Amino acid sequence: GAGVSQTPSNKVTEKGKYVELRCDPISGHTALYWYRQSLGQGPEFLIYFQGTGAADDSGLPNDRFFAVRPEGSVSTLKIQRTERGDSAVYLCASSLGGNGANVLTFGAGSRLTVL
Amino acid sequence: AQTVTQSQPEMSVQEAETVTLSCTYDTSESDYYLFWYKQPPSRQMILVIRQEAYKQQNATENRFSVNFQKAAKSFSLKISDSQLGDAAMYFCAYRSNFGNEKLTFGTGTRLTIIP
Repeated sequence: GAGVSQTPSNKVTEKGKYVELRCDPISGHTALYWYRQSLGQGPEFLIYFQGTGAADDSGLPNDRFFAVRPEGSVSTLKIQRTERGDSAVYLCASSLGGNGANVLTFGAGSRLTVL
Repeated sequence: AQTVTQSQPEMSVQEAETVTLSCTYDTSESDYYLFWYKQPPSRQMILVIRQEAYKQQNATENRFSVNFQKAAKSFSLKISDSQLGDAAMYFCAYRSNFGNEKLTFGTGTRLTIIP
C-alpha cells in the first residue's frame, strides 16, 4: 500500500480482556517496528522485525505482550489480560531495511483504552 | 544506552517568525542518524528532517534547518517563516547505524503558532 495502515484506529476494552492490533506496512518494507506512546510522552520502542523474525523484542514490557509477523508483511501486536496501564497509542512503522539510513514511515496508530 | 532529551515541553511563536527547538542526546557511538519528527493531532509521525552524524554540513529542508553540534551532542531544529500548519508536537530521535536500529525518541515539544 501507499502508507502504513493500522487497525483498529480506536479500541476500547475492559480490564482483563485480550486485544489484537494490526499493522499493514508499506509493500516491500522488510523492517517493521512497534512503539507505544503514552499520553504526553514520546514513543517507546516495543519490538522490531526484520522479515518474519523478531530481531529485537527488548522493549516488550512483560509476557502479556506478544507480536507476530508470520509472512514477513502484516504484523499483529497481541496483548493478553489487559490492564488500565496498557492504555496508550500503539504506533507501527516500517522501513526498507534495518540500516540506520533507512527512514521509518509511521502509521496513524491504534489508540487503546482499557476501562 | 542512548538517551534523547528535549528540555522545552512547550514553545510558541508568532506566525511568520522563527523558532528554535532544542534537543540533546547521549551516545558513545560515532556513526548514527538524528531525526526530527512532527506529530499533528492526527497522530501520524511525519519526518521533518534527517541528519547523518558523519556529515558536518547541517541538513536543510525548505523552511526547516538544523544546527548539529556533534561534540556537544546537540541537535536543534529551526523553523523559519512559521505557518499555522506547523503547530504540532515535535520529537527529536536518535538511530544507531550499528546493531540495534530502533529509533529512540525524546519526550517532545508542543509548538503553538500564534496568528
